[in-house]
This record gives sequence, C-alpha cells and structure tokens, in this order.
Amino acid sequence: AQSVTQLGSHVSVSEGALVLLRCNYSSSVPPYLFWYVQYPNQGLQLLLKYTSAATLVKGINGFEAEFKKSETSFHLTKPSAHMSDAAEYFCAVSKPGGNEKLTFGTGTRLTIIP
Amino acid sequence: DAGVTQSPTHLIKTRGQQVTLRCSPISGHKSVSWYQQVLGQGPQFIFQYYEKEERGRGNFPDRFSARQFPNYSSELNVNALLLGDSALYLCASRSPNTEAFFGQGTRLTVV
Repeated sequence: AQSVTQLGSHVSVSEGALVLLRCNYSSSVPPYLFWYVQYPNQGLQLLLKYTSAATLVKGINGFEAEFKKSETSFHLTKPSAHMSDAAEYFCAVSKPGGNEKLTFGTGTRLTIIP
Repeated sequence: DAGVTQSPTHLIKTRGQQVTLRCSPISGHKSVSWYQQVLGQGPQFIFQYYEKEERGRGNFPDRFSARQFPNYSSELNVNALLLGDSALYLCASRSPNTEAFFGQGTRLTVV
C-alpha cells in the first residue's frame, strides 16, 4: 500500500518569504511522486512530478521539490511567495508506470500574508 | 486542445436519488479515472477505466458504478444517494506517458 502524509494542514507565509510544504511518503516500491495545486472551486493542476529521474524537480510557477529516499520525503519549496500562490496543495504518490492510480495526502492550505 | 471536461458543474440531489456524472477526456487519452473529494480532504480514488475496461476500483460501496464508452468518455453513477456522498467529483484522463490531467469537477450536493 502507498500513502502520503502532509505535515501542516495550514501554512501561512509573508509575501516574498520562502514557501515550504512538507510531504512524506510510504511505498513498498520506488514511487512516482506529484504535487498538485487546487484553486477555489477548481480542479487539480500539476505543479511538478518525480518519476525516478533527477531527484531535484522543477515545476511551474517557480516551485521545485527534492526527492529524498533516505528521508522518504518530497517537500515542495518556492524561494519567494507571491499572493497568487494562495491555494490548496496536494502531494500524491503512485506506483511506477503510466497508468497507476494516485493516492493523495490531505492537503495543505497556503495563505500568503501581504 | 480542450482539456478534460465534466458535466454538470453543479448538481443538487435528494437522498435516495440516483445521479450520473459525465466526463470527456483529452483527445487521444484512453484512460479515465474518477476521484471523490470531500470538503477539506484530498481526492480519493473511485475507479479507473482503460480501453473501456475497469482497471481499478477504490474502497467505495457498490452504489458507485462507472463505464467507459467507445469514444473514451465516461460516466460515473451513484445510486441511493446519501448525505455523505456530497463532494466534488473529479475526472482525470491520461495517456501511458503523461501525468493525469484533471477536469474542473462536478460539485454534488445531497440534501
């Protein structure tokens, strides 16, 4: 079975400050890992994905994440927060392959303080 | 290219009724998955269809069913609706070499 744990259901950062959203995974096989963003009343948009290539993954909107096998972590970071980053963020895990289901974490709501 | 489209966008049903939600995948995508997102939680996997065959089922009761048509569009059916079925239902499509692309979802409210 696979699972992800997102530490912190709510995170607040000041505009221009570092954004750090935490995700730890559990998987019996080498996983694929994803970060999705959800704006109010919308679906999910992929920010970035790890599929066993480079461990440092760069995504859209200036976000990046680093896969650390020893820590079973895949934390999401952005050097400088923008007001438009306010949203719900979900970490997800799947088995390797192109057709596997996603298992999501419970989400982290990011608030940006002006 | 159009993204994943879902209809309707909002729906209100009464307990005990039945509902059908529809999803059109991105052109060329043969895999469609359905997820339920209860308010304040992450999406939960319900079904996956690939080439019109069920490839996966999550931990949902038999009241939930789905199918995929020859054009790869899909329907999710929920019978005997309960208040707890109120949620955002998300459809995602993918091809074997891409990530899952999600639609905007159908917001179902059961009263």
